[in-house]
Amino acid sequence: NAGVMQNPRHLVRRRGQEARLRCSPMKGHSHVYWYRQLPEEGLKFMVYLQKENIIDESGMPKERFSAEFPKEGPSILRIQQVVRGDSAAYFCASSSTGAMNTEAFFGQGTRLTVV
Amino acid sequence: AQSVTQLGSHVSVSEGALVLLRCNYSSSVPPYLFWYVQYPNQGLQLLLKYTSAATLVKGINGFEAEFKKSETSFHLTKPSAHMSDAAEYFCAVSYGGSQGNLIFGKGTKLSVKP
Repeated sequence: NAGVMQNPRHLVRRRGQEARLRCSPMKGHSHVYWYRQLPEEGLKFMVYLQKENIIDESGMPKERFSAEFPKEGPSILRIQQVVRGDSAAYFCASSSTGAMNTEAFFGQGTRLTVV
Repeated sequence: AQSVTQLGSHVSVSEGALVLLRCNYSSSVPPYLFWYVQYPNQGLQLLLKYTSAATLVKGINGFEAEFKKSETSFHLTKPSAHMSDAAEYFCAVSYGGSQGNLIFGKGTKLSVKP
């Protein structure tokens, strides 16, 4: 059973371009969470999605950032018109339910560099 | 706002020595508490979690943590450090909702000297 798969592992974008980060949850998991880790910082919650629905987007920047988790396929975190401050590691986690006694498993992250 | 404080961004111990990584949370509401480990260029792996059962929680790789409500602390310990324990450790808290919606501390990098 493969773990949470994120791709690409490394992504370089020029300022103003779009970045698309993909997350395939573990088999049987329908809950996905995105986090951002800035250099020398802990992870910051961005958004929580369940198939085709955004449950909690309280950590998402109001502009340029969006996330989706379609019925088929991976979850996508999209950053439009990237700026240098978007450079960070973006982690995805998935769980089988949204309950507290259900462990969330993390992927290896996508390291975005904006040049 | 809820927060998690990890004292010491870097901790260095000798192989075989006690490991103590500190974590304090801010809340009047009992939280759920977690410790994760992150190896270089890897994702986070859950070490252990406290969800209001026993206050002393045992995790993987010989780690354990004790929930102390009076001190709002959840420090991580291991009696004898191993070289393979060198990594970054994150304390995290949740106040309800899902286990995937967590507030993380800034992390503590553990170095183990031979």
